[in-house]
Amino acid sequence: DGGITQSPKYLFRKEGQNVTLSCEQNLNHDAMYWYRQDPGQGLRLIYYSQIVNDFQKGDIAEGYSVSREKKESFPLTVTSAQKNPTAFYLCASSADQGANVLTFGAGSRLTVL
Amino acid sequence: DAKTTQPPSMDCAEGRAANLPCNHSTISGNEYVYWYRQIHSQGPQYIIHGLKNNETNEMASLIITEDRKSSTLILPHATLRDTAVYYCIVKDPYNKLIFGAGTRLAVHP
Repeated sequence: DGGITQSPKYLFRKEGQNVTLSCEQNLNHDAMYWYRQDPGQGLRLIYYSQIVNDFQKGDIAEGYSVSREKKESFPLTVTSAQKNPTAFYLCASSADQGANVLTFGAGSRLTVL
Repeated sequence: DAKTTQPPSMDCAEGRAANLPCNHSTISGNEYVYWYRQIHSQGPQYIIHGLKNNETNEMASLIITEDRKSSTLILPHATLRDTAVYYCIVKDPYNKLIFGAGTRLAVHP
């Protein structure tokens, strides 16, 4: 079945460490997105990529980095510069650059100890 | 900032219709309205979208007012598994979907 796979589902990190969250899709979608969700809040856009080897900052890109070397993969690195990284991270993809319908992964929950 | 307004929470009895309202008074003429839902600790799931006409699929119905300033998502026979946060969304000026806080729907026996 086609879909989006995020890993790991749960991740613990010490302060000052970088951590990379994986996102893989087999839907042949061009566009991919990373969102952050804090408890009781909506989703905020971190980064998005509309095509391989290209990506743009979203609303809260500071302290995060991404790469898009393959169409199927869009990993997110949470760097030590992110002051409050504990959150639920969601990856999504869409068939078109207009982001009309998004397919989401199950999410990765990052906790900084 | 979200361009939609939704009640923070609603209740519905199992088997009854759940009607979730959304106000989008600043929507432009060619903007679609999208609905997603998020079950606890999962990724959001697309439900339905529409422009002017009412829409129906296997999950829900979407009723859009004639002036397009508001819409209602209808779950015709709510089940306990429909308990979730429901997001009503229009795109921001950069053509991106903005997820606000949504409506937390609780379906009870």
